[in-house]
Amino acid sequence: DSGVTQTPKHLITATGQRVTLRCSPRSGDLSVYWYQQSLDQGLQFLIHYYNGEERAKGNILERFSAQQFPDLHSELNLSSLELGDSALYFCASSVEAEQYFGPGTRLTVT
Amino acid sequence: GNSVTQMEGPVTLSEEAFLTINCTYTATGYPSLFWYVQYPGEGLQLLLKATKADDKGSNKGFEATYRKETTSFHLEKGSVQVSDSAVYFCALSRNQAGTALIFGKGTTLSVSS
Repeated sequence: DSGVTQTPKHLITATGQRVTLRCSPRSGDLSVYWYQQSLDQGLQFLIHYYNGEERAKGNILERFSAQQFPDLHSELNLSSLELGDSALYFCASSVEAEQYFGPGTRLTVT
Repeated sequence: GNSVTQMEGPVTLSEEAFLTINCTYTATGYPSLFWYVQYPGEGLQLLLKATKADDKGSNKGFEATYRKETTSFHLEKGSVQVSDSAVYFCALSRNQAGTALIFGKGTTLSVSS
């Protein structure tokens, strides 16, 4: 158990809908990273938050957004969902360069 | 830019065989290098890491040595078990806090008894 929690574990929704994925980092970790894992793209970095502020963006679509709250949990919002957004979404929290991953949320868009 | 290249899988071995999974990287400066493992239906677990040249990371019988001259970080294990069956990811990050991991595509290892 990494100490990083993610909810929900599974999410099934229809095209065009909006969903919110939640992540709670390990106690004391200020950084949260979001990654997408898909069969064709592999593991790709989406966005990084540190202590409530956005620090870096990777291959994140404009339809996606995230935020980190004062209690340090983070939410990833995915809107206008397309079939191609079906993937595993992981968050990770970090101590320096070492990142610890949550169990992931499997999103299926039908 | 920075990138990681892993050998393509799947790798199929018998129990107690020797394992090597090749990983090479391209990076500016001196990145930190990692191996993560993903068991079926689970998230990624940090297996081992190395933060500077010639460092050897080791954990659970797995080892990898940071070779700057060959830009490699190959994963090895002397005697694999069925329970080692998983997907293994090589990754790098620039050696500063707050940088994202760059992953290889992953190598699936299947060990049979």
